[in-house]
Amino acid sequence: QVQLQESGPGLVKPSQTLSLTCTVSGGSISSGGYYWSWIRQHPGKGLEWIGYIYNSGSTYYNPSLKSRVTISVDTSKNQFSLKLSSVTAADTAVYYCARVALVWYFDLWGRGTLVTVSS
Amino acid sequence: EIVMTQSPATLSVSPGERATLSCRASQSVSSNLAWYQQKPGQAPRLLIYGASTRDTGIPARFSGSGSGTEFTLTISSLQSEDFAVYYCQQYNDWPPLTFGGGTKVEIK
Repeated sequence: QVQLQESGPGLVKPSQTLSLTCTVSGGSISSGGYYWSWIRQHPGKGLEWIGYIYNSGSTYYNPSLKSRVTISVDTSKNQFSLKLSSVTAADTAVYYCARVALVWYFDLWGRGTLVTVSS
Repeated sequence: EIVMTQSPATLSVSPGERATLSCRASQSVSSNLAWYQQKPGQAPRLLIYGASTRDTGIPARFSGSGSGTEFTLTISSLQSEDFAVYYCQQYNDWPPLTFGGGTKVEIK
């Protein structure tokens, strides 16, 4: 059974870079057939898609965040990562990693990790 | 960007009753629509994709319908575990993939 688990700092200072990793267990990113994505949810709010990556490294980003986002994949570790630069308090959110079916819905989610941007 | 609008924001329903949730797209998304359920403190769970196909293990009391710009999620007989927030998501025209603002189904 495939599972996803987010990890990374829960507190980031303004203007710094937020870095999170998603570890996939029970299945291989390298096997293909899925994209791997990051989504965030501001406190008490709805869901915002950040971007996703394929095992080849090809990426798609939300245009609203594209200038600050980098998603990468490490198939040897079965992980993919998110970097969000120049963060502000508006980037405080629960960040989820998710698996994306090739028709672009999210069929499996991690439990999420809260990242707070504060000095 | 396609804007997804869900209504109502909150739906008060008694256990055993039917719940009908709406999702409207700002332009046609064909049948490229998914529904998710999110309980407090948990990640969203995929319920429906392709507007009407239940994901594996989703009870038959959940059904989705619609195409184009108007979609409905129906829960035929609400169980206690169904009280949650429900989101729709379009995947017809991207980037970006977009979600609706959610409908909270609460106990009446």
